[in-house]
Amino acid sequence: GAVVSQHPSRVICKSGTSVKIECRSLDFQATTMFWYRQFPKQSLMLMATSNEGSKATYEQGVEKDKFLINHASLTLSTLTVTSAHPEDSSFYICSALDLDYGYTFGSGTRLTVV
Amino acid sequence: AQTVTQSQPEMSVQEAETVTLSCTYDTSESDYYLFWYKQPPSRQMILVIRQEAYKQQNATENRFSVNFQKAAKSFSLKISDSQLGDAAMYFCAYRSAFVGGATNKLIFGTGTLLAVQP
Repeated sequence: GAVVSQHPSRVICKSGTSVKIECRSLDFQATTMFWYRQFPKQSLMLMATSNEGSKATYEQGVEKDKFLINHASLTLSTLTVTSAHPEDSSFYICSALDLDYGYTFGSGTRLTVV
Repeated sequence: AQTVTQSQPEMSVQEAETVTLSCTYDTSESDYYLFWYKQPPSRQMILVIRQEAYKQQNATENRFSVNFQKAAKSFSLKISDSQLGDAAMYFCAYRSAFVGGATNKLIFGTGTLLAVQP
């Protein structure tokens, strides 16, 4: 089946630094990648949708300059949290869409900003 | 805009018993997809079942089945013979059937935390 590899699974960073999260589709080409944020015991909140080779579409209220998304190839999308602050601490999940496999989710990244 | 509502924040079921999780949605579209996802403590999202709105027959996957009522915009999940491994957060989700761009996104409900008692 389709697999999306998300790294790192956990990261702790200092306030003011930037963190990059990668999602790779291992055996299929993901024309569309979705990035979500999830707080404990809450639902997934869609942050942005990215299509390969084009700019990401951000949801209302999501700062595009803070959460940089790059989808440079059909198998790789990255989310960079710039100048991270403690309030950015959360669980981030990516999901790749393939018309044959449907939605495949990464295993998530727990970000802690100290 | 489409919305998905799960009115049961938490549910509990005895092992081997049956439990039904509720989901309602609001849309003006006639063609769409509905999903139930499971998120265990590992937080990996797992597809449980999927329903296409144009299909009248309710989807089933082993112990999991849905009751899809299109007119009522209801999409409940029934878990039969509950097992300890079914304990998880369950999310109902909606997707437009139109292809392309932002319409491909999944719209999630707020989730139902299911506990399975031994």
